[in-house]
Amino acid sequence: QVHLVESGGGVVHPRTSLRLSCAAAGFTFSTSAMHWVRQVPGKGPEWVALISDDGSNTYYADSVRGRFTISRDDSKNTLYLQMISLRIEDTAVYFCTRVMTDPITDYYLAMDAWGQGTTVIVSS
Amino acid sequence: DIQMTQSPSSVSASVGDRVTITCRASQTIRSWLAWYQQKPGKPPKLLIYAASSLQNGVPSRFSGSGSGTDFTLTISSLGPDDFATYYCQQASNFPVTFGQGTRVEIK
Repeated sequence: QVHLVESGGGVVHPRTSLRLSCAAAGFTFSTSAMHWVRQVPGKGPEWVALISDDGSNTYYADSVRGRFTISRDDSKNTLYLQMISLRIEDTAVYFCTRVMTDPITDYYLAMDAWGQGTTVIVSS
Repeated sequence: DIQMTQSPSSVSASVGDRVTITCRASQTIRSWLAWYQQKPGKPPKLLIYAASSLQNGVPSRFSGSGSGTDFTLTISSLGPDDFATYYCQQASNFPVTFGQGTRVEIK
């Protein structure tokens, strides 16, 4: 059974840093691309970043590019999101998600597994 | 960025009703669309991918259709467990974008 568990959230001041982790189990993590997605309670999800299965490609939302870094450690089955220069508007629940990939084209189709999320609150 | 617009923003329905939610993309996304269901305090759950493919374990009363810019999620007979918020998401281009959500409420 696929299991994703996020950790590392907390209450921080603006302009500080935080690193989120996502521990993966129940599937072959090293062959899965992964996303970070965030959601403000009562609002729709907002995509944050993606890392390819081999870590060679990363993509970011404009709102976090240059401040957030997605990475992975396949030896630990763990996904990371390093966040620096945090802003009030980064306050949200952060989810890690697994990418469902088309087996023929390798196209990224959807997010077929989600963790329960970790809450980040940026407040002065 | 591709904008995803859902309608309606909310719908009131009864158990057994047929419910249809639409999602429009600001430019063509071919069939690269997914639908999710979210209940309060829970993460979204994948229902449909590639516009019309049912995710494993999802009841067959859920179906998706469309291509290009216009898409539909249909619940053929609303079950008591289906009261939730539904989101569409385009997987065609980065940045990945979601619709604003449609809340299905008890009438």
